[in-house]
Amino acid sequence: NAGVTQTPKFRILKIGQSMTLQCAQDMNHNYMYWYRQDPGMGLKLIYYSVGAGITDKGEVPNGYNVSRSTTEDFPLRLELAAPSQTSVYFCASSDGRVSNQPQHFGDGTRLSIL
Amino acid sequence: AQKVTQAQTEISVVEKEDVTLDCVYETRDTTYYLFWYKQPPSGELVFLIRRNSFDEQNEISGRYSWNFQKSTSSFNFTITASQVVDSAVYFCALGKTTGANNLFFGTGTRLTVIP
Repeated sequence: NAGVTQTPKFRILKIGQSMTLQCAQDMNHNYMYWYRQDPGMGLKLIYYSVGAGITDKGEVPNGYNVSRSTTEDFPLRLELAAPSQTSVYFCASSDGRVSNQPQHFGDGTRLSIL
Repeated sequence: AQKVTQAQTEISVVEKEDVTLDCVYETRDTTYYLFWYKQPPSGELVFLIRRNSFDEQNEISGRYSWNFQKSTSSFNFTITASQVVDSAVYFCALGKTTGANNLFFGTGTRLTVIP
């Protein structure tokens, strides 16, 4: 009963390094999302995808890239890590074939940029 | 523009007390969805409820109840007879009914239940 799986759970990066946050879901959901949660704040949408090959920007996309080559996977790429990207990142998925189904979240990736 | 306001940053109650978490939203959409999520200390996000803007009936699920008032743009959450396990950050979120169903989150209310 995996649901949404995010890896890694924790990561420390140096300024300027790059990395990919992995997200996989096994519920055959067509919609997937990436959010970031800064300390004491709510979640803000970075990117989302409504299906394989289709992605779009959310509220805070700068500094990130995504791809969606399969239904199951939705990786988030940081090309040049900056301290402002220190945050907890959540991946989520939902079944877009039924109106506004709740989003199911992964356990998050805690990322620190030093 | 979509906006969700949770004015209560932190609330502390003694176990078995009732507590209400406030949520006020802004949207120009005529139809929308409202959600509550729970984030326990372990960090994951747990879905609690979804409410369609057409449905203003209050809902009760065990010790949890939700009061949706479209006239005041509020969707408040009450926990009856609080327990220590209710300690968490609670987020209210607003979702569109078209498109990719992106959620707009409030800043959350941290609830601490003291034994």
